[in-house]
Amino acid sequence: DQQVKQNSPSLSVQEGRISILNCDYTNSMFDYFLWYKKYPAEGPTFLISISSIKDKNEDGRFTVFLNKSAKHLSLHIVPSQPGDSAVYFCAASAETNAGKSTFGDGTTLTVKP
Amino acid sequence: DAGITQSPRYKITETGRQVTLMCHQTWSHSYMFWYRQDLGHGLRLIYYSAAADITDKGEVPDGYVVSRSKTENFPLTLESATRSQTSVYFCASRDPGQKNVFFGQGTRLTVV
Repeated sequence: DQQVKQNSPSLSVQEGRISILNCDYTNSMFDYFLWYKKYPAEGPTFLISISSIKDKNEDGRFTVFLNKSAKHLSLHIVPSQPGDSAVYFCAASAETNAGKSTFGDGTTLTVKP
Repeated sequence: DAGITQSPRYKITETGRQVTLMCHQTWSHSYMFWYRQDLGHGLRLIYYSAAADITDKGEVPDGYVVSRSKTENFPLTLESATRSQTSVYFCASRDPGQKNVFFGQGTRLTVV
């Protein structure tokens, strides 16, 4: 049973437009959510996170929204840039589980110039 | 080099061989993790360690062994490699007060 799901394997957007990446989770014990970005042949790097006590967190062009009742979070990138083209992983952790993160399968974002 | 480094970057081994993947971090982070990423899938936790000499199993520990005699090193050993262990392996670390982890660059392992 996959506890963190990213249902869109890929997403293509035009430069300057908004990119919206979605993530759903099933475990109600998750209390912290993270997004990582991964370029080919590199390790993932941390992008942005949100605690379950918040519904929005913003960092420059990146905003994460959390809807706890729907067990859904999304990452908005505005405006999208070609350098944003990468694989984005959603991850969730629970304090009760030693803070270990469970990852989704990732969404490949392509931003076209 | 500062940060977290994995070696080797690429490895081809034969079925049944023992192989060890190395991970070294210079931050003195207490937590370290090993993940595997299979094609088209996310990262699955193999083993993690909360401190030197403390290790615990993750989601997919079968066929793997870890040790942590020093805070900075966290080697992962495949005791008898199988084709199903062909994957990209990522080591990661963090401090207790952090939520996000820092990943190494990965080791691509092919078992033939």
